[in-house]
Amino acid sequence: QVQLKESGPGLVKTSETLSLTCSVSGDSVSSGSYYWSWIRQPPGKGMEWIGYLYYSGSTKFNPSLKGRATISPDTSKNQFSLTLRSVTAADTAVYFCARVGTSGYYIDFWGQGTLVTVSS
Amino acid sequence: DIQMTQSPSFLSASIGDRVTITCQASQDISNFLNWYQQKPGKAPKLLLYDASNLDTGVPSRFSGSGSGTDFSLTISSLQPEDFATYFCQQYENLITFGPGTKVDVK
Repeated sequence: QVQLKESGPGLVKTSETLSLTCSVSGDSVSSGSYYWSWIRQPPGKGMEWIGYLYYSGSTKFNPSLKGRATISPDTSKNQFSLTLRSVTAADTAVYFCARVGTSGYYIDFWGQGTLVTVSS
Repeated sequence: DIQMTQSPSFLSASIGDRVTITCQASQDISNFLNWYQQKPGKAPKLLLYDASNLDTGVPSRFSGSGSGTDFSLTISSLQPEDFATYFCQQYENLITFGPGTKVDVK
C-alpha cells in the first residue's frame, strides 16, 4: 500500500520560506509511472494544485504562484520536498502531498495533510 | 486557465435519496475530469476518473457522466458514510479543482 506523509514547521513568518517534506513508502519517487505533487487547501476553501515533480527531475507549477515554488526529490530517502518563498497570510493552508497518475492525472494517494500557518 | 464551478455548494439529503452534483468547466475539457470525496480532517478519496470510470473499490451507487463542459456525479441511494464534501478536478490544462459540494443530513 502506498503511503505519503508530510512533515515540516506548522508556523512560518510572513516573507520567509515555507519548507515541507513528503516521505513516500510503497512506491518510489524515481518511478516513471506517476507524478509527485503538492496540493493545498486554505481554511474553508477548495483545493489548489501547487505543482508536481516527475522522476526525470522535470517540474510543473501553478502559474498563480508566480515562480515562488520549487519541488525537488531526495531519491536516497524516497522523499520529495516543497519550498515556497516569500510567503504571506494567503499561503496559510493544509498542505497535502500526493501521487498523481501520468495517464489520467487522477490523484490516487494523498498524505494526511499538514496545516501551515503564516503569521508575522 | 480553466475554472471549475460546482452546484449546489450545499445539499441536505436523507438516507436513500438520489443525489446529483454538477460540475462545470469554463472551457471544453473533453472527459478529463475526476471526482473526489473528502471527509472532515481527512485526505480526499478518488471516486471516479475520466468522468465516468469508478475507481477500484468504490461502491456502484456512485456514477459519473458528462463531457465537454458539463459533468455530474450521482449517488443513487445515499448511505450514512456518504455524508461528505465532493469535488471535481480537471486535467485538460494543468490541474484545477472545483470548490466542492457539501452533502449533509437533512
